Amino acid sequence: AAGVIQSPRHLIKEKRETATLKCYPIPRHDTVYWYQQGPGQDPQFLISFYEKMQSDKGSIPDRFSAQQFSDYHSELNMSSLELGDSALYFCASSLRQFSGNTIYFGEGSWLTVV
Amino acid sequence: QKEVEQDPGPLSVPEGAIVSLNCTYSNSAFQYFMWYRQYSRKGPELLMYTYSSGNKEDGRFTAQVDKSSKYISLFIRDSQPSDSATYLCAMSASSTGFQKLVFGTGTRLLVSP
Repeated sequence: AAGVIQSPRHLIKEKRETATLKCYPIPRHDTVYWYQQGPGQDPQFLISFYEKMQSDKGSIPDRFSAQQFSDYHSELNMSSLELGDSALYFCASSLRQFSGNTIYFGEGSWLTVV
Repeated sequence: QKEVEQDPGPLSVPEGAIVSLNCTYSNSAFQYFMWYRQYSRKGPELLMYTYSSGNKEDGRFTAQVDKSSKYISLFIRDSQPSDSATYLCAMSASSTGFQKLVFGTGTRLLVSP
């Protein structure tokens, strides 16, 4: 079965640079979530989108922005990168139609800021 | 204090043992409970999903939720070396379909042959 696809899988950026992560949800899933997992940490919710509109917001820095496009894929844009932004960024998707439906995660994008 | 508490381990067991993994939580609004398995540098893989209190069984895995005690468990029977991974509990209070999950810190499980 198709899963959540994330790209790139690995990314190295310098401080103050900009990075863009892409996420392609499971087909027919209408909701996309972004999570950040620092080394040895649990995943922290950043932001979610439903039908191209932001549905919820978590601990996402102002330097970060995200959007969901007409084909339901999503992009997370990170600017003025800091060393502390180095983490594994997960995208997840679900189908909102069924309340309480479960979330499926992608393999993650490793961002290293040097 | 974190909303979801989970012993980070590591928990070391021999192959074939029954494993018990647990989480406690403080938010009584949580009603959706999930267990994810995460291998090193990989995405969380959904193992079990439970709504409200009760038990759910799937193969070697059994999930239990006790909302009165704010306590959830995952049991793994006949544990295998391939079960060695970090197990994350996750919860949500959402009834709108938007699952903003709150995770535990994860318990690292090591199953030795």
